[in-house]
Parts: sequence; C-alpha cells; structure tokens
Amino acid sequence: QQQVKQSPQSLIVQKGGISIINCAYENTAFDYFPWYQQFPGKGPALLIAIRPDVSEKKEGRFTISFNKSAKQFSLHIMDSQPGDSATYFCAARKTGTASKLTFGTGTRLQVTL
Amino acid sequence: SQTIHQWPATLVQPVGSPLSLECTVEGTSNPNLYWYRQAAGRGLQLLFYSVGIGQISSEVPQNLSASRPQDRQFILSSKKLLLSDSGFYLCAWSGGSETQYFGPGTRLLVL
Repeated sequence: QQQVKQSPQSLIVQKGGISIINCAYENTAFDYFPWYQQFPGKGPALLIAIRPDVSEKKEGRFTISFNKSAKQFSLHIMDSQPGDSATYFCAARKTGTASKLTFGTGTRLQVTL
Repeated sequence: SQTIHQWPATLVQPVGSPLSLECTVEGTSNPNLYWYRQAAGRGLQLLFYSVGIGQISSEVPQNLSASRPQDRQFILSSKKLLLSDSGFYLCAWSGGSETQYFGPGTRLLVL
C-alpha cells in the first residue's frame, strides 16, 4: 500500500517557469515532510522540509506548500533553471519510527531552454 | 561535519556470487542507519534499518541481509546474488533529527 502518492511522474518546464510537484498522504501520524533532489547516478540530497504546524516554507527558489486538512503538500520551484533538471522525491515520516521515511515514487523534472 | 561513504561505487557480479556492500559514517555517533534499493527509474525501497550495533530491522523479505558490526558501519550482504538484485543501493543515516542523509550509492549489476 502506497502511503505517499506523488504526481506527476514526469514534468517538462521551460526555463524561467514554475515547476509544481504534488504529494498526498493518508496517515495522519506523519509529522515531517522532506523533499529530496536526485541527479542521475547520485544519492538523493535533502532540498527542503516542512512540519505540519506551518502552511508554507520557502528557501530561495524552492517553496513547500502544506495543506494539513487535505493531507497534501507540494513543491514549487520558481524561475526553474536547466540545472534543476533532476528527479524529485517527496517523503513523510511517522512519529516514533526511528526516522523511517516513506517516499513518493518520484517526479522526473526536465527544464528546457 | 558528517560524511557518509559507500563502496564500491560500481560492482558487476555473476548470478550466484556473494555480495558485500559497505557503508560508513563519520562525524557522528549512534546514528540510525538505512539501506535502500532503487531500481532504474524507480523510487526508493527501504530494505533494512538499524538503531544500534547489532540491531537490524528488515522491511521486506528478500535475498539480502544486513549487519552493523560497529556503531558507524553498516554492511549489506548476500550469499547468492539473483538477477533481480541488480539496482542502485543507497545507504543513509539520521541522528537526532528526522532528516536522513544519503550516501553516493553503489550501482550493482548482476549478470
């Protein structure tokens, strides 16, 4: 049973545009929601993370929007650049589970010139 | 600062051969450690995690095993590799906070 659903599977955005990736979860015991960025052949790197007590977190061009009532969260990449082309994973952690993360299936982002 | 190492970076092994992948973490103590497998173009599947020396939890039944002989060392093993064991193996650690930090990965090809 997939506990974190991520969409779209792939995304093509023009340079300068906004990239939006969405995730939805069902388990209300999740209390930490990170996003990871992965380049081909590399390990995922933490990009930005949010807790459910805030609705938005911004770091540079990257913003997480969080809707607790809808159990949804999304990653917005403003002014998308070709260097942002990567696979993005959302994840969620359940309280008291040794920081185990449940990952979404990933979104492959391509930013074109 | 903390650093996580994995080796080898790439491995090509015949079916039926044994496997040993190693992960070590520097700059922290008593981390939680994790092994993931990522099939080509797919998501991350948690295989094992460990909260301390000798403490291993398996997430999915499979042909692999894990061990933690030292506080900052995590080993992924197999006695006999299957074709389906091919993939990108990632080690990660966390300590104190919820964040997991991933290593560079080992690409395993079983022929």
